[in-house]
Amino acid sequence: NAGVTQTPKFQVLKTGQSMTLQCAQDMNHEYMSWYRQDPGMGLRLIHYSVGAGITDQGEVPNGYNVSRSTTEDFPLRLLSAAPSQTSVYFCASRGGQGAGGRAYNEQFFGPGTRLTVL
Amino acid sequence: AQSVTQPDIHITVSEGASLELRCNYSYGATPYLFWYVQSPGQGLQLLLKYFSGDTLVQGIKGFEAEFKRSQSSFNLRKPSVHWSDAAEYFCAVGARSYQLTFGKGTKLSVIP
Repeated sequence: NAGVTQTPKFQVLKTGQSMTLQCAQDMNHEYMSWYRQDPGMGLRLIHYSVGAGITDQGEVPNGYNVSRSTTEDFPLRLLSAAPSQTSVYFCASRGGQGAGGRAYNEQFFGPGTRLTVL
Repeated sequence: AQSVTQPDIHITVSEGASLELRCNYSYGATPYLFWYVQSPGQGLQLLLKYFSGDTLVQGIKGFEAEFKRSQSSFNLRKPSVHWSDAAEYFCAVGARSYQLTFGKGTKLSVIP
């Protein structure tokens, strides 16, 4: 298993450009999430998905779009990048409820994408 | 709304000394509680988690944490710190583990 993979690892954009951060997992996990990490702020939830075709907003969703057409992939789209979106982005996934109800509640994080918007 | 406070931004300890990292949370019921560690330039690794049951939980790398409901705390401890433990540590809370609220982190430096 590759676990959670993210591409690219680094990206520099100009203000107003668009791009998609890719996230994929090969663990057949139902739940996937996007976080951003800024210095001194910890991680903040952007969007999450509880299954294919189902997404919802987290704490800081403005400026980002997501979709979940397959179980494996959960891309994050920046339609018009702004300097305030300079950050490190982490994708995470989690399995569903297993035997005993909470057997698969651990989230697995990808290695992150470092995005700079000039 | 749920929230997490890690009061210590930066802690420095000598190698071999004991360690306690503080975490206080705000949540209406018993939440899921996690401690993650992040080495520079790396992703997050789960150290331990608490869902229910025994309030003292053991994790990887010799870490443990104690859930104290009366104090709304979930402090991380290690009896003897190694130089390789130098990293940033994050406490997280949530009703669902895919909707976590993270603290701002505590950076641990270890003096040889």
